[in-house]
Amino acid sequence: AQSVTQPDIHITVSEGASLELRCNYSYGATPYLFWYVQSPGQGLQLLLKYFSGDTLVQGIKGFEAEFKRSQSSFNLRKPSVHWSDAAEYFCAVGPLLQFGAGTQVVVTP
Amino acid sequence: DTGVSQNPRHKITKRGQNVTFRCDPISEHNRLYWYRQTLGQGPEFLTYFQNEAQLEKSRLLSDRFSAERPKGSFSTLEIQRTEQGDSAMYLCASIGTAGANVLTFGAGSRLTVL
Repeated sequence: AQSVTQPDIHITVSEGASLELRCNYSYGATPYLFWYVQSPGQGLQLLLKYFSGDTLVQGIKGFEAEFKRSQSSFNLRKPSVHWSDAAEYFCAVGPLLQFGAGTQVVVTP
Repeated sequence: DTGVSQNPRHKITKRGQNVTFRCDPISEHNRLYWYRQTLGQGPEFLTYFQNEAQLEKSRLLSDRFSAERPKGSFSTLEIQRTEQGDSAMYLCASIGTAGANVLTFGAGSRLTVL
């Protein structure tokens, strides 16, 4: 059975600092992996995806993620966060998109 | 491309009433998905359609829930005899054959059952 775990429910980060959100998955085959962001009142927006190939994936808004098969992880990173990055972030494994419980990111001045 | 449209955006109803949500996917998208999201949780898969055929249903979709996509375009999700536990955000998403397994989500329909 497939599953996704996001160990951090809530992360607070200072504006300009780096951010890393953790995601671990369980999947029987080579997974499709996704990161989505959800801001209040907004729909889920795709940040990036991994299907195959280069394990370091670049996404929108300056985000990147690295697929590590040996660790069953797909962590999301951003070198320098902006106040507008405050949102909830979801990792998902496909193709039917099973989502993790999400990580709420708060950005402080 | 006007995106995925969901209506109504918010529905408040009394326990025991029936409610229906509508989803209009991106016009050329042949696959349509429904998810449910409760507070503090990630979205949970409910069901999906390829054209008008409902191909998969989650065990979360009890007998009180029914989804249709009669002409392979818009879809409706009906909940009969609503319960307070049905209070959630209901999300619709669509994908086309060239979508490379990337879903485009609507903004959702929030249901509050009193």
